[in-house]
Amino acid sequence: AQSVTQPDIHITVSEGASLELRCNYSYGATPYLFWYVQSPGQGLQLLLKYFSGDTLVQGIKGFEAEFKRSQSSFNLRKPSVHWSDAAEYFCAVGARIQGAQKLVFGQGTRLTINP
Amino acid sequence: NAGVMQNPRHLVRRRGQEARLRCSPMKGHSHVYWYRQLPEEGLKFMVYLQKENIIDESGMPKERFSAEFPKEGPSILRIQQVVRGDSAAYFCASSPPMGGGRDEQFFGPGTRLTVL
Repeated sequence: AQSVTQPDIHITVSEGASLELRCNYSYGATPYLFWYVQSPGQGLQLLLKYFSGDTLVQGIKGFEAEFKRSQSSFNLRKPSVHWSDAAEYFCAVGARIQGAQKLVFGQGTRLTINP
Repeated sequence: NAGVMQNPRHLVRRRGQEARLRCSPMKGHSHVYWYRQLPEEGLKFMVYLQKENIIDESGMPKERFSAEFPKEGPSILRIQQVVRGDSAAYFCASSPPMGGGRDEQFFGPGTRLTVL
């Protein structure tokens, strides 16, 4: 069965510091991978996605993620965080079902930014 | 183009009552998904629907929960005889047809259900 693990429940970084959020997945085939961000009381916004091709994926808001098949990982990075990046971040793998896919989410990493 | 719309945004029910959650997908989208987010947890898939068809309901509880996506109107997630454990945020997402699974799912703002 598909699964996603985000080992860090809560991370705190200082504004301007670099960020890496970890994500490991389990999926039998070539995975479709996603990172979503959720602000308090809001829905989810897609940051970036990986389907195939270049393993380094650029997303919105200055985020990027690197797919490493050998490590079953899809870590999210940002070189310099801003206070507005404080939110909950979810990694997900797409499990294909009849022409579409259902998303299997990790438990999330809550990011706090120190001024 | 309006995004995915969900209403109500907040819903309070007493134990034993029924809860109806509505989702209007983005214009042109014919695939609808429902996810549930329990407190302090990630989202869990519940059901995937196309117009007038339930495609995959493997994440739906076997009792009290049902979903539909009629030819006209929004998708409805219905919870009968709610219990406190149903308190959660329920998110709807939609995607366009025939994308082969490569399409982004666009999420609505969610309905936060509280059962007293």
